[in-house]
Amino acid sequence: DGGITQSPKYLFRKEGQNVTLSCEQNLNHDAMYWYRQDPGQGLRLIYYSQIVNDFQKGDIAEGYSVSREKKESFPLTVTSAQKNPTAFYLCASSPGFTNEKLFFGSGTQLSVL
Amino acid sequence: AQRVTQPEKLLSVFKGAPVELKCNYSYSGSPELFWYVQYSRQRLQLLLRHISRESIKGFTADLNKGETSFHLKKPFAQEEDSAMYYCALRKGGANNLFFGTGTRLTVIP
Repeated sequence: DGGITQSPKYLFRKEGQNVTLSCEQNLNHDAMYWYRQDPGQGLRLIYYSQIVNDFQKGDIAEGYSVSREKKESFPLTVTSAQKNPTAFYLCASSPGFTNEKLFFGSGTQLSVL
Repeated sequence: AQRVTQPEKLLSVFKGAPVELKCNYSYSGSPELFWYVQYSRQRLQLLLRHISRESIKGFTADLNKGETSFHLKKPFAQEEDSAMYYCALRKGGANNLFFGTGTRLTVIP
């Protein structure tokens, strides 16, 4: 099954701990994105990457970090600076940055212990 | 600042009845609007985009700049239409999509 794979499905974080969410795609897409979803709210953009070795902050980047060392991979690290990390995280990709059709992963639910 | 509003969190209609999911937006530039859908146990996926003026699975949506709306409509709802629907806005030709809070549509048999 090609597409976008997010892992793990569920993740728990202890206070003061950094955790990394994985996102891999085999669609040969240039652009990748991370969104956060909270109950009763729409998806909010955390970070995006238009091309390898490049990434930009979205609307709610504080407390998060990303890397884009490979075209296929766009991991998101939730740092201890993110005071309210409990949320559902969605990764997406698109063929190019101006292509409006996003392909989404199945998401990771992060909870704080 | 841009904003996408979906006033209905939940919407239930009977099979065969018309359905309209509301979406209003605020954006000072020229917007591009989209509808995304998430069926049960499936991923979020693009349903339709306003620039295509297409009908997908019987759904249509017209961009009304005067009313700043992009409502999703279908004349006869089917059970398989039950899903979560998100309206999204893109600004400036980039791919920074702003999503609404979503409407859960339930079609009653």
